[in-house]
Amino acid sequence: DGGITQSPKYLFRKEGQNVTLSCEQNLNHDAMYWYRQDPGQGLRLIYYSQIVNDFQKGDIAEGYSVSREKKESFPLTVTSAQKNPTAFYLCASSILGDRGQPQHFGDGTRLSIL
Amino acid sequence: SQQGEEDPQALSIQEGENATMNCSYKTSINNLQWYRQNSGRGLVHLILIRSNEREKHSGRLRVTLDTSKKSSSLLITASRAADTASYFCATDVRSVDYKLSFGAGTTVTVRA
Repeated sequence: DGGITQSPKYLFRKEGQNVTLSCEQNLNHDAMYWYRQDPGQGLRLIYYSQIVNDFQKGDIAEGYSVSREKKESFPLTVTSAQKNPTAFYLCASSILGDRGQPQHFGDGTRLSIL
Repeated sequence: SQQGEEDPQALSIQEGENATMNCSYKTSINNLQWYRQNSGRGLVHLILIRSNEREKHSGRLRVTLDTSKKSSSLLITASRAADTASYFCATDVRSVDYKLSFGAGTTVTVRA
């Protein structure tokens, strides 16, 4: 079955700690995205990547970092500089080319502060 | 920045009734997409309407787009308990990169 796998499902961070959220896709999609969702709100774009070894900042990139060393993987690191990291994090991917391509989402990682 | 805004924020209906939600946006778009999110899960793509289309159907879903008013509506007919979810509109703004801007969503509760 093709899809996007996010892990872990739940993650807890201590003060001053960096944590990394995993996102893997086997859909052969070129583009991948990271979103943050706070309760009762929509999705806000953190980072996105359209090609291996290249990525762009979204609307709320401060305190986060990403890498794209392989087409199928796009991990997100929440650094200690992110002072309010508690949120639901969603990873998505899409085909590039035709602008009418939908995004496919994983089932998210819920990050909380200890 | 969030370009789309859904209205209403929440909607409660009886099974079998229709549910209508609206989305307004601010700048020119290539297309507008609707997604569903069940509690604690990722988003699932429902339907896409391009800027040169006015109406589109998919099963029990009907989407309209009025680019002059910068607004779209999603109608779910004959709702079922399984339709209980949050619904988001997402706009593909005319820019170099393909990225979507999501609204805050409408939470729909279908009562049995």
